[in-house]
Amino acid sequence: NAGVMQNPRHLVRRRGQEARLRCSPMKGHSHVYWYRQLPEEGLKFMVYLQKENIIDESGMPKERFSAEFPKEGPSILRIQQVVRGDSAAYFCAAGGSFYEQYFGPGTRLTVT
Amino acid sequence: TQLLEQSPQFLSIQEGENLTVYCNSSSVFSSLQWYRQEPGEGPVLLVTVVTGGEVKKLKRLTFQFGDARKDSSLHITAAQPGDTGLYLCAGAEGTSGSRLTFGEGTQLTVNP
Repeated sequence: NAGVMQNPRHLVRRRGQEARLRCSPMKGHSHVYWYRQLPEEGLKFMVYLQKENIIDESGMPKERFSAEFPKEGPSILRIQQVVRGDSAAYFCAAGGSFYEQYFGPGTRLTVT
Repeated sequence: TQLLEQSPQFLSIQEGENLTVYCNSSSVFSSLQWYRQEPGEGPVLLVTVVTGGEVKKLKRLTFQFGDARKDSSLHITAAQPGDTGLYLCAGAEGTSGSRLTFGEGTQLTVNP
């Protein structure tokens, strides 16, 4: 995973609770991308952030989802009032040289 | 919205056989990446191709980017059981700082 850390690796939430997913890119990388992989589906882009800025959020659902990448600390993907359809694997990737992106191990979210 | 179609979706072969996976689009990409994903893990970058017509080799894996930068192929020679996994192609629309569009993936199984 080229040093990209995500936690937790597994997260179980009941419907209506909040989920917070964290991503720490390797040192020196200030670009973070979030992707979602639904069961039996491919990876879908959600949001692209640089430190303290959201660059592209065209893949984010309009409601309940938000993301941030503060000056200090990890990037956080926040899902409010989770529903069963939010169950998926969420991956973050750090931008490498030019076009390359290096993925973390993912957080598997299960909503019960 | 740019789309990437991968074929075949599933491939089961015997050890020692050769195989080719295809990734096609009607859109032009500035670069194309190939990833391999194991169950429960994040995608691992195998190669990035940037120039139309480019060919890159990684041991028994050969990657080619189409002349028009709309398609790519992955060829594996003398497949081994350790090659088993989900192979994903992903295209970038711009230069650095661009989201990736993923294909649905090819699930390869190499039987001993």
